[in-house]
Amino acid sequence: AQSVTQLGSHVSVSEGALVLLRCNYSSSVPPYLFWYVQYPNQGLQLLLKYTTGATLVKGINGFEAEFKKSETSFHLTKPSAHMSDAAEYFCAVSRYSSASKIIFGSGTRLSIRP
Amino acid sequence: DVKVTQSSRYLVKRTGEKVFLECVQDMDHENMFWYRQDPGLGLRLIYFSYDVKMKEKGDIPEGYSVSREKKERFSLILESASTNQTSMYLCASSLPRQAHEQYFGPGTRLTVT
Repeated sequence: AQSVTQLGSHVSVSEGALVLLRCNYSSSVPPYLFWYVQYPNQGLQLLLKYTTGATLVKGINGFEAEFKKSETSFHLTKPSAHMSDAAEYFCAVSRYSSASKIIFGSGTRLSIRP
Repeated sequence: DVKVTQSSRYLVKRTGEKVFLECVQDMDHENMFWYRQDPGLGLRLIYFSYDVKMKEKGDIPEGYSVSREKKERFSLILESASTNQTSMYLCASSLPRQAHEQYFGPGTRLTVT
């Protein structure tokens, strides 16, 4: 069975500070990993994805994540937070790209302090 | 741009009512999904459909049914709404071999009183 655990339901950082949102996964087979973002009053949109190849993946709005198999982690980072980054972020896992469904984490709400 | 629309942003229904939530996508996607989103629980899959008239149960199908008569439309039905079905409901769609890249609608916040 696959699962994801997001550490911290709420993270608050100052504008301009480093953003680090943590995600650990559990999977018996090589996983496909994703981060989705949900801005207030909107649906989710794909931020970035890891399938195969380079373990450091870059997404939209300056976010990136690194797949670390030894740590079973896929943490999301951004060097400098912007007020517009305030949103809820979901880590997700699937077995392979054609899987019929993906498993979402419980979400981390990111707040940005002026 | 892919567009997924949901019939209502906010809905208030009474216990025992039959509730229909509608979802329409305009990108000819084969896969469509219904999730519910609750604080601290993330998104949980209720049902998904990989083709017209085809459906499969997700993780929490109890109390729900679905209908997919046309490719672009996927309906979620609450046969007899209960207060524990108060939630945010999200619809999504994707191409058949890219189920990880789902396009979401804005959600319907359903309150059952």
